[in-house]
Amino acid sequence: GIQVEQSPPDLILQEGANSTLRCNFSDSVNNLQWFHQNPWGQLINLFYIPSGTKQNGRLSATTVATERYSLLYISSSQTTDSGVYFCAVPRSYNTDKLIFGTGTRLQVFP
Amino acid sequence: NAGVMQNPRHLVRRRGQEARLRCSPMKGHSHVYWYRQLPEEGLKFMVYLQKENIIDESGMPKERFSAEFPKEGPSILRIQQVVRGDSAAYFCASSPRRDRGPGELFFGEGSRLTVL
Repeated sequence: GIQVEQSPPDLILQEGANSTLRCNFSDSVNNLQWFHQNPWGQLINLFYIPSGTKQNGRLSATTVATERYSLLYISSSQTTDSGVYFCAVPRSYNTDKLIFGTGTRLQVFP
Repeated sequence: NAGVMQNPRHLVRRRGQEARLRCSPMKGHSHVYWYRQLPEEGLKFMVYLQKENIIDESGMPKERFSAEFPKEGPSILRIQQVVRGDSAAYFCASSPRRDRGPGELFFGEGSRLTVL
């Protein structure tokens, strides 16, 4: 089945710093989602981004489907950005059943 | 516009008891997915349901676990005779399921099961 890998596994930042999180997947996909799991365990949708670039405030994401990767950019990080960031892709083409990556654990210190 | 609603948020059971977790999808969504997250791990797919139908249960343990999504009411994930290894966060997601290609999944806040 499709493999999803994220890097780095852990990231420690000071408030105000920028960061880039990467998601690599092993097969063609027509859907990709980024999620933020906050320290309370809630899973928050960040982006639904099968291809191209989207921006939402300090966050933006780019998916290059032909090269099988997606990037999540966090600018001017804040302590509330702390948590685990997951990317997820469909297990197979034309299904909603998502396979989650291993996650990037982000800690932002004041 | 309410999101995916799960209850209870926290559930404590003793070994051998039953756990029932409920999920109401977002309004207008007819597809429900259950995922399990063990401590310090990512989410793993368990089961995919539409109203009155189980579409894919390839991620469900063969014994003690069952799921349903009746015509009326929420989807229910049922775990019988719980064991300590069932302690986890159980997330429900819903999707509008567009006719062309996959839809975006929206997750509830999860139900955290602790087995003593």
